[in-house]
Amino acid sequence: DVKVTQSSRYLVKRTGEKVFLECVQDMDHENMFWYRQDPGLGLRLIYFSYDVKMKEKGDIPEGYSVSREKKERFSLILESASTNQTSMYLCASGPPGTGGLYEQYFGPGTRLTVT
Amino acid sequence: AQSVSQHNHHVILSEAASLELGCNYSYGGTVNLFWYVQYPGQHLQLLLKYFSGDPLVKGIKGFEAEFIKSKFSFNLRKPSVQWSDTAEYFCAVNHGGATNKLIFGTGTLLAVQP
Repeated sequence: DVKVTQSSRYLVKRTGEKVFLECVQDMDHENMFWYRQDPGLGLRLIYFSYDVKMKEKGDIPEGYSVSREKKERFSLILESASTNQTSMYLCASGPPGTGGLYEQYFGPGTRLTVT
Repeated sequence: AQSVSQHNHHVILSEAASLELGCNYSYGGTVNLFWYVQYPGQHLQLLLKYFSGDPLVKGIKGFEAEFIKSKFSFNLRKPSVQWSDTAEYFCAVNHGGATNKLIFGTGTLLAVQP
């Protein structure tokens, strides 16, 4: 069974704090993704990575950065948290494959509240 | 930009009723299509997927979806819902190429009343 774990289920941070969200997968997947999930907006892609030290911006990268130093770990960083970053953050991983032949496997999510 | 529309935001059904959730996408080229489901308190998981071949695909738990290319649609169906189908359902599209990048719809929250 594929397992994607995220470091925290719930997190409360103050405005201006630097926030790290960690994601680890155990299936040796090349691709990893960070999404945020908001009611009425669905899932929106923040960043993704297709290899160690490689990253690409998704649809809403502003205010976020990422780090992928090891294949199994993909970190999302909020450099200076703001209240509009209060959201559910989902990490996903998947094997390489053209045309999205393979599904993405999701973690349980981190509900971040910025006060 | 490519987009995915799910017009039903919130659906309430009684047990044994039939279900159809709409999904339309805007991309005109080759697409791969997915339905994901998120049960209360659980991870998002794959329900079914379409890449090619028979446009009627069957997934887990009795769900099926039909790809109609001329209508840019991939509607999800189940003939008889159960209380345990209460969940949020997301349609997603990958427009081919060498990426696993998915574009998700806004989701449909289904509540099944016993």
